[in-house]
Formats: sequence, C-alpha cells, structure tokens
Amino acid sequence: DIQMTQSPSSLSASVGDRVTITCRASQSISKYLTWYQQKPGKAPNLLIYTASSLQTGVPSRFSGSGFGTEFTLTIDSLQPEDFATYYCQQSFSKPRTFGLGTKVEIK
Amino acid sequence: QVTLKESGPALVKPTQTLTLTCTFSGFSLNTSGMRVTWIRQPPGKALEWLARIDWDDDKFYSTSLKTRLTISKDTSKNQVVLTMTNVDSVDTATYFCARAVNSWEYFDYWGQGTLVTVSA
Repeated sequence: DIQMTQSPSSLSASVGDRVTITCRASQSISKYLTWYQQKPGKAPNLLIYTASSLQTGVPSRFSGSGFGTEFTLTIDSLQPEDFATYYCQQSFSKPRTFGLGTKVEIK
Repeated sequence: QVTLKESGPALVKPTQTLTLTCTFSGFSLNTSGMRVTWIRQPPGKALEWLARIDWDDDKFYSTSLKTRLTISKDTSKNQVVLTMTNVDSVDTATYFCARAVNSWEYFDYWGQGTLVTVSA
C-alpha cells in the first residue's frame, strides 16, 4: 500500500497567516492527489483534486501543487472558518490511502 | 441534487456482523465511471479507506480488512451495502460513504456518516 505522510501533524496560526501543509507519498502517484478539509462532527469537504485543481465553490485562497511524491496545500490569508483538519489522499493505486491529517488551530 | 446517507446499527456486539447501507440520490450507479466508496474514522483519528464498488460491479477492498468486508449494490434501490464480519472494539468508528465520478477518484459528495460502537 502507498503510505501518505503529512507534515506537520498540527500547527497554530493566526487569522491572516499563510499556511502550508505538506503531503509525501511513499512512491510516485503522478497527480492523483486530493485534499479535504474536515471540521469536527462533519464529513470531509473536497478542496483540491488532481493535486492543483480547485473544487467549485472553494475559496481561491486555497491552492495545491506538486507531482510525483511531494505535494503542498497552501492557504493564503487564513480565515476563521479555515480552522479545521486537512487530509491528503492518493488515488493512484489500490487500496486508496489517506494521510493522518494536519490540524490547523488558532494561535 | 446529490445526496448520500448511511444507515445501520449504532451498537454492535463483538464477533457480530455489521451491515451498513448507503442510500443515495441524484446520480446513478449505472453511469459509466461512477463509484461509491466506504470510508471510516475512529473517534479522534484519521480517515481509513475501506471498500469501493464501481458502475460495472468491480469491487476493491482495504488490504488489511479484505477478508472481513463485502460490498454490494442494488441499483434499483440506489443503495450500496457494506458488511463487516467478526467486529471488534477497534472497529468503533464513524462510517461514511462517498461518491466519485471518474478514475481520478476524488470524493465530491459524502454522506453525513453514521457512528457505530462495538461493545458488549
């Protein structure tokens, strides 16, 4: 199975900060990488697919980049509603696998 | 409007078989490329991919759970069913179903999830 490693596991940031989360795959996954945001008690919400495509309705302050084994999710100018846990997921090979998540907390 | 909703028992005893149903609307599992996946999340932990069924009835399972899982679909009822045999306390989790529409397989719609507790 492909292992997805996210870093950091948690971070504290202030409103207005730029935040970057990294996801590394244990082998190349091309651009089969998706980012989700999850708030407590809710289902995950699709943010970015194919590594860099913004899902319809997601604010443009979210962006994704990367290819192969290294990917990043960037949030420009963090907003109060962005405090949540973020997960990456690969869909290059079966079984699909998720990272362990990055919790973004208020500083 | 696409919706998915999970249903099943809230409490299951160890060693029993768990049966969960995902009832969806707004799309058809007869449509080429369509897939429905089950994903779970133990309390306070990360998401775990469990199983997937495709429009053409292809099925795929988690490596670690494949001997215990069975996924099936009833397209006439717009339902996907997941069974898990021999449950244990470590299977306590919120179980989600989610839809993907193509081979890039990103989940654009999710159910609200259903919490299943395994306890005697």
